Amino acid sequence: DAGVTQSPTHLIKTRGQQVTLRCSPKSGHDTVSWYQQALGQGPQFIFQYYEEEERQRGNFPDRFSGHQFPNYSSELNVNALLLGDSALYLCASSPDRADSGNTIYFGEGSWLTVV
Amino acid sequence: GESVGLHLPTLSVQEGDNSIINCAYSNSASDYFIWYKQESGKGPQFIIDIRSNMDKRQGQRVTVLLNKTVKHLSLQIAATQPGDSAVYFCAENIRGGKLIFGQGTELSVKP
Repeated sequence: DAGVTQSPTHLIKTRGQQVTLRCSPKSGHDTVSWYQQALGQGPQFIFQYYEEEERQRGNFPDRFSGHQFPNYSSELNVNALLLGDSALYLCASSPDRADSGNTIYFGEGSWLTVV
Repeated sequence: GESVGLHLPTLSVQEGDNSIINCAYSNSASDYFIWYKQESGKGPQFIIDIRSNMDKRQGQRVTVLLNKTVKHLSLQIAATQPGDSAVYFCAENIRGGKLIFGQGTELSVKP
């Protein structure tokens, strides 16, 4: 059973460009959350998708948007990239409401470098 | 300008010793707390969790203690091994899988 898979693993973009990151959740999971992890810091919650809708959102600007597809996979889009957007972007999947910590699974992340 | 990463607190222990990693949290509404291990270049890996109505939970070689009075969480690792070297994060679940992470502690195990 594949866990959470993310693509691409690494990418480099130029300031002002747009980027799309992808996530396939663990089999049986219908909820996907995205996190941004800057170097030397803990992950920060961006948003969560359930039933193809954004259910919760963290303190991130509208440049960060997402989508969830009927098969529960998800995309994170970032527009007008800034140098400060350089980070590891993590996807986490879980069953709806995730009532215990061991039901939340993280992918290996996508490393984004903005130059 | 260029962003600069923060230096994580570091805990250095001798192989075979016990390790204690501490974490402060801020939200009283959290229903459970999780400890994660993150190795270089990888995503966070679940270690152990504890519900907010408990004060202690034990796993294999790990124990988590929760003190809600002072909003403090700790992770104890018994007989620390070189493979335990990593960054450890605590996280609080606010609701429905939204996690708020602490800063993290880098554990270095000397053979």
